[in-house]
Amino acid sequence: DGGITQSPKYLFRKEGQNVTLSCEQNLNHDAMYWYRQDPGQGLRLIYYSQIVNDFQKGDIAEGYSVSREKKESFPLTVTSAQKNPTAFYLCASSIGGPTGELFFGEGSRLTVL
Amino acid sequence: AQKITQTQPGMFVQEKEAVTLDCTYDTSDQSYGLFWYKQPSSGEMIFLIYQGSYDEQNATEGRYSLNFQKARKSTNLVISASQLGDSAMYFCAMISGFQKLVFGTGTRLLVSP
Repeated sequence: DGGITQSPKYLFRKEGQNVTLSCEQNLNHDAMYWYRQDPGQGLRLIYYSQIVNDFQKGDIAEGYSVSREKKESFPLTVTSAQKNPTAFYLCASSIGGPTGELFFGEGSRLTVL
Repeated sequence: AQKITQTQPGMFVQEKEAVTLDCTYDTSDQSYGLFWYKQPSSGEMIFLIYQGSYDEQNATEGRYSLNFQKARKSTNLVISASQLGDSAMYFCAMISGFQKLVFGTGTRLLVSP
C-alpha cells in the first residue's frame, strides 16, 4: 500500500540534544512538507521541498534542518537551537502543483524533558 | 503572499443539522487548489474535500460540499446532517504557485446530541 510513514510516533529528548524525525513516502511524490502543530493551534510550515536536493524554509525554520537526498525521504532534525521544540510534527507529500493528491503521515509527538 | 483565514475559532451544531465553516484565501496565482481536512483528537489529518481553481462546479463528497466563490476568494465547507463523530478541528488549506501548502488556524466543531 502506498502512503507516508513517520517515525517515531512518540519521542522524548533531553534539553540540548538534537533529534531526527523520519518521513518516508512511496507515492512517487515530488513535493514534501514538514509542519509543526502546538496544542489547540494550526499547522505552521517549517520546511518544504519541491524536488530532490532542493528545499526551502517555511515560516518557522529557525532551529530546524532538513535534507532531501532521495525522493522518498525528507528527514527533519530538531536541533538544540530550537528553543521550544515540544510539539506535534506532521509530514506531508504531494504530487506537485495545485492538484488534489496530498497525503499526511500520522505525526510524531516530541516532548523535551 | 499566500494566506488562509478561518475566522471561526469554534462552532456548535446540533446533531442532524447542517453547519458551514468559513474560509477565505489570498493568492496572486491563477492556478491553485483548496483543501479541507478534519483533525480528531488523535492528531491524524483526514482529507475531506478538494476544489481546484479552474473547477467550475462546487466540489461535493458525501455529506461534505464546498461553497466556492472565486471572485470573493472564499471556500466555505458545508457539512450536512451533522453526526457526533464530526466533532473535531477542521482546517482549510491552499496549494499554489511554487507548491507551498499553507493552512488556516482551524475551526473547532462540536456536535451536540
